[in-house]
Amino acid sequence: QKEVEQDPGPLSVPEGAIVSLNCTYSNSAFQYFMWYRQYSRKGPELLMYTYSSGNKEDGRFTAQVDKSSKYISLFIRDSQPSDSATYLCAMCGTASKLTFGTGTRLQVTL
Amino acid sequence: DTEVTQTPKHLVMGMTNKKSLKCEQHMGHRAMYWYKQKAKKPPELMFVYSYEKLSINESVPSRFSPECPNSSLLNLHLHALQPEDSALYLCASSQSPRGEQPQHFGDGTRLSIL
Repeated sequence: QKEVEQDPGPLSVPEGAIVSLNCTYSNSAFQYFMWYRQYSRKGPELLMYTYSSGNKEDGRFTAQVDKSSKYISLFIRDSQPSDSATYLCAMCGTASKLTFGTGTRLQVTL
Repeated sequence: DTEVTQTPKHLVMGMTNKKSLKCEQHMGHRAMYWYKQKAKKPPELMFVYSYEKLSINESVPSRFSPECPNSSLLNLHLHALQPEDSALYLCASSQSPRGEQPQHFGDGTRLSIL
């Protein structure tokens, strides 16, 4: 079993939809959780960073962490075609070695 | 544009060539990283530099040789690479090597080995 599981998609939604992206993990030592967005031929861009259970909101993006269930989510409201990208969850413990999910490809259609 | 700058953006080299990838950040970060990313896969950690010293080598073949000349620069020297080394090479940095500091990535160097 992988330490981090993420549905690879692809996930296709119409413009304006609410998107839910999820990762589950097995390592209790993970304390810090990140979501990266990666466009084709670009590097991963940090979208959200959190270290506690609960919700964190930034514009149209909400990151949710449930440490008791070892489950994290990223919600995108009012999705736009420009949100079409691969979304990577990543997490780490006290050291900075990141463990990534496999990434979910998202396509937002007009 | 990202705050981690990588050059060149593209590189094609033969298996006998020697080349170097460069990474620069001016955010005052003290940890820098090299990752390798194959198509449709997540980044794989290669090396970590912490306060300009190599702290992690993920059993990377010796044909890849990292160097950190100062706190803003990171190089990856390449020699006698194999076709399977073709990939996107990403540099990242963070304020410190501790997990509470998130990593910021550059846009990578796309490397092709002939």
